[in-house]
Amino acid sequence: DTAVSQTPKYLVTQMGNDKSIKCEQNLGHDTMYWYKQDSKKFLKIMFSYNNKELIINETVPNRFSPKSPDKAHLNLHINSLELGDSAVYFCASSQDQGRTGELFFGEGSRLTVL
Amino acid sequence: AQKITQTQPGMFVQEKEAVTLDCTYDTSDPSYGLFWYKQPSSGEMIFLIYQGSYDQQNATEGRYSLNFQKARKSANLVISASQLGDSAMYFCAMREGWGAQKLVFGQGTRLTINP
Repeated sequence: DTAVSQTPKYLVTQMGNDKSIKCEQNLGHDTMYWYKQDSKKFLKIMFSYNNKELIINETVPNRFSPKSPDKAHLNLHINSLELGDSAVYFCASSQDQGRTGELFFGEGSRLTVL
Repeated sequence: AQKITQTQPGMFVQEKEAVTLDCTYDTSDPSYGLFWYKQPSSGEMIFLIYQGSYDQQNATEGRYSLNFQKARKSANLVISASQLGDSAMYFCAMREGWGAQKLVFGQGTRLTINP
């Protein structure tokens, strides 16, 4: 029973296309995140939502649009894909009432833009 | 300025030896949390250990321990009795403040355990 699940796991697409990645968590957490891991393995936060409200937007191009229909879901839509968007995108969630606030990650979605 | 620094891009260790992965951090917030994650070749991010800034004792979880030196702003991960399955990328991360805050990650260290 996967705690944080994201689909699809792999995406291969052409430059200029639009694509979406979906994320769902069944942990009852209040906060969800999107992180991008580049080819050098560097992990950088993109967005964070708390109870469906955007709380962190780390200067991500507005081609990237997150949507949170409810607190268990956070989807990422990317318009007009560029070569530099190729990366692994991780969804994560955390419980803000917990002591540690550790992130629980999904398995990642590898996006390849050709 | 880099908030989390991992100075070892790669490390090679013999099986059964202990290994220390370095992490230094930079913050002016008195309340923060430090985390270590493991990323095996399969790609998932696995939480290993947590240390809060007010915790008096170093955190331990099984073979993992965190050598927390607050004055030096370092939070090194120690893995005792390394195993082949410990080969992976290891990331140090920091959360400033409490509650739903972002984690900032270091560049990672690739650990390879040799048989």
